[in-house]
Amino acid sequence: GENVEQHPSTLSVQEGDSAVIKCTYSDSASNYFPWYKQELGKGPQLIIDIRSNVGEKKDQRIAVTLNKTAKHFSLHITETQPEDSAVYFCAASMSRSGGGADGLTFGKGTHLIIQP
Amino acid sequence: KAGVTQTPRYLIKTRGQQVTLSCSPISGHRSVSWYQQTPGQGLQFLFEYFSETQRNKGNFPGRFSGRQFSNSRSEMNVSTLELGDSALYLCASSLPKTGAPGEQYFGPGTRLTVT
Repeated sequence: GENVEQHPSTLSVQEGDSAVIKCTYSDSASNYFPWYKQELGKGPQLIIDIRSNVGEKKDQRIAVTLNKTAKHFSLHITETQPEDSAVYFCAASMSRSGGGADGLTFGKGTHLIIQP
Repeated sequence: KAGVTQTPRYLIKTRGQQVTLSCSPISGHRSVSWYQQTPGQGLQFLFEYFSETQRNKGNFPGRFSGRQFSNSRSEMNVSTLELGDSALYLCASSLPKTGAPGEQYFGPGTRLTVT
C-alpha cells in the first residue's frame, strides 16, 4: 500500500519568516495530495490540495509544489503569523477503477511553532 | 453551510463493551469516510461509505464496522472494545468526483477512552 513520509516532525520559525514542510510518497498511482492543518481539540482542516496534473498551486500565503518524478510534494507558508501555529499533515490518495478513491494515507505530521 | 457534525464528542467505555459513533456529513455530500487518530499510529483510514454501501476499507479488524443511511448520515461501531481502541475517531465527508478523489472535510471527532 501507499506510504507517506513527512519531515520535519517539528519546525520552529520566527514570525514573518517562511516555513517549508516536505513529504514523499511511494505509490506512483497516487494522484491527489491534500494538506491539512489541525489545531488542538479540532479536526483536520483542508488548507490546500494539488492533483497530479498540476505542478504548483498557490492560495494567498500558502503554496504547494508537486514533483511526480521524485514522488515528493511540499507545503510553503510565507510571512508566517502566530495563528499558523498548528500541526500540519500531508496526505496522498488515488482513484479507484470502480469509482471513488482510496482512503487518504497521511504523513505523521509536522508541529509548526511560530516564534513571536 | 453547516460543517460535518459528530456525536458524541467524548465517550468513556469499559473493555469488552461496544460503542456506536455518529456522523452527519455536509449537506449534499454523499461520501463519508472514517479515520482513527492516535499518537502512535497517526491518522489511519477505517472505511468509506457511498450511497449506503461500503466502497473502500482500511486495514482494521472486523470489530470495526459501519453503515450509512439513505440521508447520507453514517455510524461506526466498535465491538468488544480494547484499551488500544482509545483514540480520536474522525469522520470526513466529500462530494464524489468522476474519476478522481474528492476533497474530504473533517468533523471535530469523537474522543473515545477505553478503561
